[in-house]
Amino acid sequence: GAGVSQSPRYKVAKRGQDVALRCDPISGHVSLFWYQQALGQGPEFLTYFQNEAQLDKSGLPSDRFFAERPEGSVSTLKIQRTQQEDSAVYLCASSLDSVRGGYTFGSGTRLTVV
Amino acid sequence: SQQGEEDPQALSIQEGENATMNCSYKTSINNLQWYRQNSGRGLVHLILIRSNEREKHSGRLRVTLDTSKKSSSLLITASRAADTASYFCATAMDSNYQLIWGAGTKLIIKP
Repeated sequence: GAGVSQSPRYKVAKRGQDVALRCDPISGHVSLFWYQQALGQGPEFLTYFQNEAQLDKSGLPSDRFFAERPEGSVSTLKIQRTQQEDSAVYLCASSLDSVRGGYTFGSGTRLTVV
Repeated sequence: SQQGEEDPQALSIQEGENATMNCSYKTSINNLQWYRQNSGRGLVHLILIRSNEREKHSGRLRVTLDTSKKSSSLLITASRAADTASYFCATAMDSNYQLIWGAGTKLIIKP
């Protein structure tokens, strides 16, 4: 597609529920990133894929967070047993070249845990 | 943790005026990027400046980089109401793909 597509745009989850957030990057983009953005803050890095390989997951806040990109295109960020502190906007970005940048971001998924 | 700090946190100016935002960072970088984020939307890449560059232009945007002071500025000339948004700087460190972000400057253009 023309841009990075994320779904759903909004998700309300009850505390303890599992959620899955989807990212459809620009076709042919090798690099894919997930970021978490709290209200009024800049994004914080979660994880990075190069094709299907997850090269860095150092930003994932806990083992409740899991990301995959099995065929090197669509990626899913899964959060198990959601907590209130997980409430944030989750942004996906893709890029042809991870070092040279810049990245194309999706519109994000706003997750609210109640 | 965030490396960059934008200054000011918020800026309100009249349409037609110039807007200047500053960004400071802490470590050596490969490049610095500026992004715009409209309320409730994703981030839009504006401009990238490499560590060996001092100034870059794109339309009404002018970015400067001073690596000795570890700072950058974004100038938007002849501002328009549509420029109302939050502006973020993000740094990419040497040989590293991660972007480290500041907390952003909220820019309001009054018609």
